[in-house]
Amino acid sequence: DAKTTQPTSMDCAEGRAANLPCNHSTISGNEYVYWYRQIHSQGPQYIIHGLKNNETNEMASLIITEDRKSSTLILPHATLRDTAVYYCIVRVWSGGSNYKLTFGKGTLLTVNP
Amino acid sequence: IAGITQAPTSQILAAGRRMTLRCTQDMRHNAMYWYRQDLGLGLRLIHYSNTAGTTGKGEVPDGYSVSRANTDDFPLTLASAVPSQTSVYFCASSVEGRAGELFFGEGSRLTVL
Repeated sequence: DAKTTQPTSMDCAEGRAANLPCNHSTISGNEYVYWYRQIHSQGPQYIIHGLKNNETNEMASLIITEDRKSSTLILPHATLRDTAVYYCIVRVWSGGSNYKLTFGKGTLLTVNP
Repeated sequence: IAGITQAPTSQILAAGRRMTLRCTQDMRHNAMYWYRQDLGLGLRLIHYSNTAGTTGKGEVPDGYSVSRANTDDFPLTLASAVPSQTSVYFCASSVEGRAGELFFGEGSRLTVL
């Protein structure tokens, strides 16, 4: 199973772009990169995912390097409500079931006024 | 309101007692999951169900059981609670074909004394 490495914490100024890195050097060809976040005391929230192409939605952009060994989640204009723990997850395939996600410890992003 | 409903929100339980955490979704998602979240350990998958009538074990299934009699409900039962099961429990669901995009409930905080 591919593992991910994220910084423990990051700070960002309100209104600026937040760039959250993730290393997944052992990722295999059929594994996707998923990003979730968890605001304090709430359930995790899906943000975005990708395989090898860059992706963008209403919440964020995902940039995956060409070798797929790392990725960056970009929040283009961070707000105070974006303060949360951000999880980078590589989808795990196990025993024929493809319905499992393994969450690590994530990055605590603090958006400052 | 569409989404996942968990109950109870919070519960204090004596060790040795039986407890069922309820989870109901109204999105007609085929897959459902139970995670526990402990400080410093992230989210760990307890049990999952790919579709009604089937269940599977996750990373930490011991001491827990689940059932999936229908699409909407996925209760988690602690037959004889122990203090190490003190945790925040999250139920989640996903739609077929988009298994990595989980929708989470707001969690159930369980304290076993």
